[in-house]
Amino acid sequence: QKEVEQDPGPLSVPEGAIVSLNCTYSNSAFQYFMWYRQYSRKGPELLMYTYSSGNKEDGRFTAQVDKSSKYISLFIRDSQPSDSATYLCAMRTGGADGLTFGKGTHLIIQP
Amino acid sequence: GAVVSQHPSRVICKSGTSVKIECRSLDFQATTMFWYRQFPKQSLMLMATSNEGSKATYEQGVEKDKFLINHASLTLSTLTVTSAHPEDSSFYICSARSFTNEKLFFGSGTQLSVL
Repeated sequence: QKEVEQDPGPLSVPEGAIVSLNCTYSNSAFQYFMWYRQYSRKGPELLMYTYSSGNKEDGRFTAQVDKSSKYISLFIRDSQPSDSATYLCAMRTGGADGLTFGKGTHLIIQP
Repeated sequence: GAVVSQHPSRVICKSGTSVKIECRSLDFQATTMFWYRQFPKQSLMLMATSNEGSKATYEQGVEKDKFLINHASLTLSTLTVTSAHPEDSSFYICSARSFTNEKLFFGSGTQLSVL
């Protein structure tokens, strides 16, 4: 079993829809949870950053972390064609360790 | 937000040559830098972690003599792919983190193609 599981998609939704992206993980030591957006052949761009469990909202984006279920989510409201990209979840335990990434979900917002 | 500059964005080289990729933190001091590799439609895989002034720590399966990492200053880390071969063709991405900020910021990546 991989440490971080993420459905690669593609996930195609109409413009204006609410998008739900999810990741599950197996390492209970993960404490920091992130969502990155990556356009083709570009570096990942940090969208949301959450420590431990709970919700965090930033504009149209909401990140949720449920450590008891080892499950994290990213919601995008009022989705737009410019949101079309690959969304990567990432997490780490703390200290100086690097991130463990999910495989990324390819999201397509249809105009 | 913090800016990490990575150069070159794309490089094509012949098999057997060496390629150097630079990663710079522009507005903060990066005490730790990470190097990732990403194959098409795959996730980012951590290659190595480098702390300023010390030797890099490589992930299992990554050849340290092939992928030379230098983190000589708080704003610059370099990855040198030595004697590159076609199987080294990939998208290489650096990321940096400051001592005071838990967040990681990524460079724009380097597409390496070895002929």
